[in-house]
Amino acid sequence: EVQLVESGGGLVKPGGSLRLSCAGSGLTFSRYSMNWVRQAPGRGLEWVSSISSNSSYIYYADSVKGRFTVSRDNAKNSLYLQMSSLRAEDTAVYYCARGRFNIEKNWFDPWGQGTLVTVSS
Amino acid sequence: EIVMTQSPATLSVSPGETATLSCRASQSINVNLAWYQQKPGQAPRLLIYGASVRATGIPARFSGSGSGTEFTLTISILQSEDFAVYYCQQYNNWPPWTFGQGTKVEIK
Repeated sequence: EVQLVESGGGLVKPGGSLRLSCAGSGLTFSRYSMNWVRQAPGRGLEWVSSISSNSSYIYYADSVKGRFTVSRDNAKNSLYLQMSSLRAEDTAVYYCARGRFNIEKNWFDPWGQGTLVTVSS
Repeated sequence: EIVMTQSPATLSVSPGETATLSCRASQSINVNLAWYQQKPGQAPRLLIYGASVRATGIPARFSGSGSGTEFTLTISILQSEDFAVYYCQQYNNWPPWTFGQGTKVEIK
């Protein structure tokens, strides 16, 4: 069974930084694109970032570009999201989700359970 | 950016009835559309991809249709566990990969 487990969320002050991790198991991690999707409290889903299987292609939502950095370590079956210059509007549950072999046909399955990031003074 | 618009925002349905959810894209996305189900406190779960292909383990009462800009998710013979929020997502033009705002299916 494929499992994705996020960690690293918490309370951070505006302007602060946080690093999220996502550990994968039950899959050949290195074969898949990986993604971050977030959900603000009571709101819908917002795509944040995607990274191809070998890290050759990386994409960000405009709302996080220049502040967030996605990376992966295939040897450790892990995905990361380094978040800096955090704002109140970044408060959300952050999900990691497996994409496809080919990042072009990128639907998300499965998803981790999410980790809550709260940006507040 | 492709904008995905779902309707209605809330759908009140009795158990055993059929729910029909709509998703419209601001421009053609061919059949590059997925549907997800999200229950309170849980992560989203993939239901449908390619507009009409059920994901592994998804019951046959969930069906998807459409192409271009108009799409439909139909849930036949609603079960208690089907009351949830449903999102559509396009993967034709990216980035960004975009979601609709969701349709909540509630018990009537």
